[in-house]
Amino acid sequence: GAGVSQSPSNKVTEKGKDVELRCDPISGHTALYWYRQSLGQGLEFLIYFQGNSAPDKSGLPSDRFSAERTGGSVSTLTIQRTQQEDSAVYLCASSLMGYSSYEQYFGPGTRLTVT
Amino acid sequence: TQLLEQSPQFLSIQEGENLTVYCNSSSVFSSLQWYRQEPGEGPVLLVTVVTGGEVKKLKRLTFQFGDARKDSSLHITAAQPGDTGLYLCAGADSNYQLIWGAGTKLIIKP
Repeated sequence: GAGVSQSPSNKVTEKGKDVELRCDPISGHTALYWYRQSLGQGLEFLIYFQGNSAPDKSGLPSDRFSAERTGGSVSTLTIQRTQQEDSAVYLCASSLMGYSSYEQYFGPGTRLTVT
Repeated sequence: TQLLEQSPQFLSIQEGENLTVYCNSSSVFSSLQWYRQEPGEGPVLLVTVVTGGEVKKLKRLTFQFGDARKDSSLHITAAQPGDTGLYLCAGADSNYQLIWGAGTKLIIKP
């Protein structure tokens, strides 16, 4: 069965440009998470979607970051006016239910490099 | 703010040796998960421990949840090069978020 997919796998952009990162979760999973991971480090929570509920945006580092999830499925993370400190791997995960005890299934990530 | 501290941050050992990775917090978690991440991939769940004092074994890997559900350990017996990766622990809080440790980068040399 299909796992979580993310695109693009790599993105190099110039400082100040906008980027869009896409996540296709596992079909039927109601919860979707976005994380940011700096080289070899742990995961920094960014945003959480659960069904039709309002998303938890508490982890977004600035108002340059936004995300949406259309039709309870595909999600897009947008970073406006990218800065060099935005360089990281952006991971998307989905879960059957929106409870922390449920396993999260991760995509391979998008490696973003801001030059 | 809940925090999970993992130690060591980095470990490089020879094949066949044993090792233990620790995950500690001052907070109580309802459950704790261990993930392994290989380069270029997302983390993959290894195990979830739920009950204080619980011990789970996955082949050569032994996971333990502390009696007070504040800490956990991962012990690997006779490590193999295939065990190389980033090991992450994540504690489940009362809601939907996981509190993530910073990870232990493990390298097993042949």
